[in-house]
Amino acid sequence: QVQLVESGGGVVQPGGSLRLSCAASGFTFSSYGMHWVRQAPGKGLEWVAFIRYDGSNKYSADSVKGRFTISRDNSKNSLYLQMNSLRAEDTAVYYCAKCAGGGDCYDAFDIWGQGTMVTVSS
Amino acid sequence: DIQMTQSPSTLSASVGDRVTITCRASQSISSWLAWYQQKPGKAPKLLIYKASSLESGVPSRFSGSGSGTEFTLTISSLQPDDFATYYCQQYKSSSSYTFGQGTKLEIK
Repeated sequence: QVQLVESGGGVVQPGGSLRLSCAASGFTFSSYGMHWVRQAPGKGLEWVAFIRYDGSNKYSADSVKGRFTISRDNSKNSLYLQMNSLRAEDTAVYYCAKCAGGGDCYDAFDIWGQGTMVTVSS
Repeated sequence: DIQMTQSPSTLSASVGDRVTITCRASQSISSWLAWYQQKPGKAPKLLIYKASSLESGVPSRFSGSGSGTEFTLTISSLQPDDFATYYCQQYKSSSSYTFGQGTKLEIK
């Protein structure tokens, strides 16, 4: 079945780094753009970053620009989020999500992973 | 950036009620709007895309309408499984996607 499984979350000190992974299965990963979305405890959803199906275009939210980098390895059906210079306000559940359409994703997010928790604290 | 504003923030209703949630965009997004349902501790689930298209497998009691800057999600007859938080999301711009702040649907 179509599935996304995140991993790599944990507790990290302010200023530290963490790399999240998202393993995809059940669909042609290399044909779809992918996103990271986060949700701080008790708060709403915040889009974090997008990567086009072929990795040629990447976009990120202003709140993470210059600190977070989205990437993918289509040979491994995997999506990544490298998070550097982490701050307390980056504490959240991080979800990977699949774009329902192709190209630059003028479309909804139709498949979501279960999320991985990142806690930034000293 | 396009801002999305949902109302109300909290809605109390009973099983069998018809409920409507509103989402307003700060500028026209045509029909590039989705609705998601999220239950505690779970990932969001896509309900509606392109403002009014029902995602496969979603019950027909859910419907969406609107275009431009004003949109609604309607649940025609609330079921116990529908009590959750609902989010709208615009995807007009591929470089910036925005969610509404959420509407928590509670049991009256």
